[in-house]
Amino acid sequence: AQSVAQPEDQVNVAEGNPLTVKCTYSVSGNPYLFWYVQYPNRGLQFLLKYITGDNLVKGSYGFEAEFNKSQTSFHLKKPSALVSDSALYFCAVRELYGNNRLAFGKGNQVVVIP
Amino acid sequence: DSGVTQTPKHLITATGQRVTLRCSPRSGDLSVYWYQQSLDQGLQFLIQYYNGEERAKGNILERFSAQQFPDLHSELNLSSLELGDSALYFCASSVDGQGKDTQYFGPGTRLTVL
Repeated sequence: AQSVAQPEDQVNVAEGNPLTVKCTYSVSGNPYLFWYVQYPNRGLQFLLKYITGDNLVKGSYGFEAEFNKSQTSFHLKKPSALVSDSALYFCAVRELYGNNRLAFGKGNQVVVIP
Repeated sequence: DSGVTQTPKHLITATGQRVTLRCSPRSGDLSVYWYQQSLDQGLQFLIQYYNGEERAKGNILERFSAQQFPDLHSELNLSSLELGDSALYFCASSVDGQGKDTQYFGPGTRLTVL
């Protein structure tokens, strides 16, 4: 079954510095990969996804993610973090030919320090 | 705003009771998913419906059931409630339920079982 690991519980970054949130995945076969963000007392908001093609995916709010098949990783990045980026970030994976369930990581709390 | 609506926003009930959570998908989406988010289990996939038919089942307890109606709204029924059922329940929808589909999440229903 597919699974996702987000190794860090919390990521602290100074405003204006680059932000990276790490994600590694495990699937049998090719993956569909997703990033979502959750603000307090809100639902999950879609940021970006990798289906096929270019390994660098650009998404909402200046976020991008790089798919690395050899390292089975899909790290989320933003060149310059904003205080408003402070939230909980989830990586998720689906198998290309498997069932339709999205397997989520445990989430990473991002804290951007002014 | 994702376009997915969920009611009620909050629900407080007692052990042993039964509740119904309601979800309306985005306009045009045929597939509905239910997830449970709790501190100890994280985000867990419960069940998926596509155009009224059950398509995939996850970690859904036998005390829980769901259905999708002809107008495509969905209901999640939770019965014989236990303290451990307290969680945030999310509904998501997507266009046709295929692997590369983006799932758009509603704001969630927070269930508290006392």
